[in-house]
Amino acid sequence: EAGVVQSPRYKIIEKKQPVAFWCNPISGHNTLYWYRQNLGQGPELLIRYENEEAVDDSQLPKDRFSAERLKGVDSTLKIQPAELGDSAVYLCASAQGDTGELFFGEGSRLTVL
Amino acid sequence: GNSVTQMEGPVTLSEEAFLTINCTYTATGYPSLFWYVQYPGEGLQLLLKATKADDKGSNKGFEATYRKETTSFHLEKGSVQVSDSAVYFCALSRGSQGNLIFGKGTKLSVKP
Repeated sequence: EAGVVQSPRYKIIEKKQPVAFWCNPISGHNTLYWYRQNLGQGPELLIRYENEEAVDDSQLPKDRFSAERLKGVDSTLKIQPAELGDSAVYLCASAQGDTGELFFGEGSRLTVL
Repeated sequence: GNSVTQMEGPVTLSEEAFLTINCTYTATGYPSLFWYVQYPGEGLQLLLKATKADDKGSNKGFEATYRKETTSFHLEKGSVQVSDSAVYFCALSRGSQGNLIFGKGTKLSVKP
């Protein structure tokens, strides 16, 4: 069974540029999460989807971040414009039900210069 | 609010040594507790979990017991191996909301 797939694995951009990350969750998982992990820290939730509905986006900086999950499957996280402080690893995870067991992708490492 | 505090790393041990990584939590209600592990070059994966007080989660020789009285969920292993070298994250989840709140992680290095 394929795991959670994220792309790109690495992205280097200059500040004020846009960037987008893509996530393909495990087939059949209706819940999808985007987390941000700063260096030396644990992951922090940005947004959670149940199917195509964003049910928790309270931690998403909406002035520059946006996300969508079309048809309740793949998801895209966008930052526009990027700032230096956005340098981090962006993790996508999916789950089925509310057991707390999340399946994570390998992450997308963003460096903003 | 809800939070998780785990011991600072890095932790360096010799092979076959005993491992303890401390984790305490603050939460409203009765959260579920988890240990996730991140091996080098891989994504986070669930190691073990416990959903109610006095439950013991176990996997791959690792154990952790949900202690409500001390709000703790310490990770232990009797004899570590080089292959256990990874970053370990303690986390909690508040029921049906399903959102995991993670600690900062503890890096473990096991030397042969």
